[in-house]
Formats: sequence, C-alpha cells, structure tokens
Amino acid sequence: EPEVTQTPSHQVTQMGQEVILRCVPISNHLYFYWYRQILGQKVEFLVSFYNNEISEKSEIFDDQFSVERPDGSNFTLKIRSTKLEDSAMYFCASSPGTGAHTDTQYFGPGTRLTVL
Amino acid sequence: AQSVTQLDSHVSVSEGTPVLLRCNYSSSYSPSLFWYVQHPNKGLQLLLKYTSAATLVKGINGFEAEFKKSETSFHLTKPSAHMSDAAEYFCVVIHKAAGNKLTFGGGTRVLVKP
Repeated sequence: EPEVTQTPSHQVTQMGQEVILRCVPISNHLYFYWYRQILGQKVEFLVSFYNNEISEKSEIFDDQFSVERPDGSNFTLKIRSTKLEDSAMYFCASSPGTGAHTDTQYFGPGTRLTVL
Repeated sequence: AQSVTQLDSHVSVSEGTPVLLRCNYSSSYSPSLFWYVQHPNKGLQLLLKYTSAATLVKGINGFEAEFKKSETSFHLTKPSAHMSDAAEYFCVVIHKAAGNKLTFGGGTRVLVKP
C-alpha cells in the first residue's frame, strides 16, 4: 500500500540555523500539507499546497517558513532561522484531490525537530 | 468556525471491554469528520471518516463512530478492546473552504489493562 514518507526521522539543529524537512507524498496525490505537534499540545495545521502554490496557511506559517515541490515527487518544508519554539514533530500529509477519497489526508511518520 | 472537542484526555479500559471515546463538534454546516489514531512513535493513521453518506461509519480494527447531528457528536466506539488499541486518538474536522486544513481535537490517550 502506498504511503507518505518523511526524512529525516530526527533532526537536531542549533537555534538560528536553517533546516529542510523532506516528504515524499503518495504518488498521484494532488494536495500536500504540513502539520506540527509541539510536545503535549494539539496537532496544528501549517500549510496546504496545490497546483504548485500555497492554498492556505496558518498564522504560525510566517516568513521564516516556506514550502516547495522541487520535482515531481518531493515536498519540502524549510525553516530559515530556527527558534527554540520550533521544536516539534512535523507531519507531512497528502490527499488525492479526486475520487471517492478526495479529501482524505494520509500522514507520514513525522520528523522530530529539536532546536537547541 | 469549525472545531472539535474531545471530552476525555485519558481513558482506561480493561482488555475485552468496550471502548468509548467522545467527540463533540461545532460547525455552521454539515461537517466532514475523521478519527485518526497515533500509536507510540508512529504517524497518524486514519481510522474512519464521516462524509454524510451514512451516520454510522465503520472503520478499521473494529472501530465505528456515529454521527448525531442533534447532539453535535461523533463518538468512537469498539465493542471489545485489545491491547494493541493502546494509543492516542484524535477527532478531526476538515475545512474544505480553507485549503482542506484539518483541525484536531486535543486527543484521547487510551490505556488498555490486561
């Protein structure tokens, strides 16, 4: 069964450094998403991406964040200058956009980001 | 604005007994609702979803949920808990007009005692 994959599983970085979190969505899915979960808190929406542009973003997704689909398979989240409060589990998801399960989002296993 | 509230942060059950996880939603129109499960150190797995086709929805691993508009509820149940059901469960609503963003409830952590 196809699945969303994410790399790395763990990332440790120094405050102020740039990080890139990588995701490979399910092939032929059209919508892509990033969420995060700070330890002990709710899962929060960051951004949705469709047709090579952002379709929705949250207040969390400020100028320090960016997303990109550099080729036909990868979907990346970049944090330009990490802060301590960016430490969280980051989840990538994708949804088909068509068919019976058009809006069902399938999640990757997550990347745990620790900012020191 | 749409939101979901999970009424219990923790639920403890004995193996073989029923499980009930409660979720209430708030929406100005008929929502699409989901239950996801997160096992320790794993990602989020879809259990089931409601999209107005039928009010009783069956999911994987013996779980089901009933959409009750009069009570604005979408409770998750399973007749007989298994040790492997120990996990955190999330009730989720989708905002189709906002880029399909999902809003998660606070989660219910299920402990299954032998």
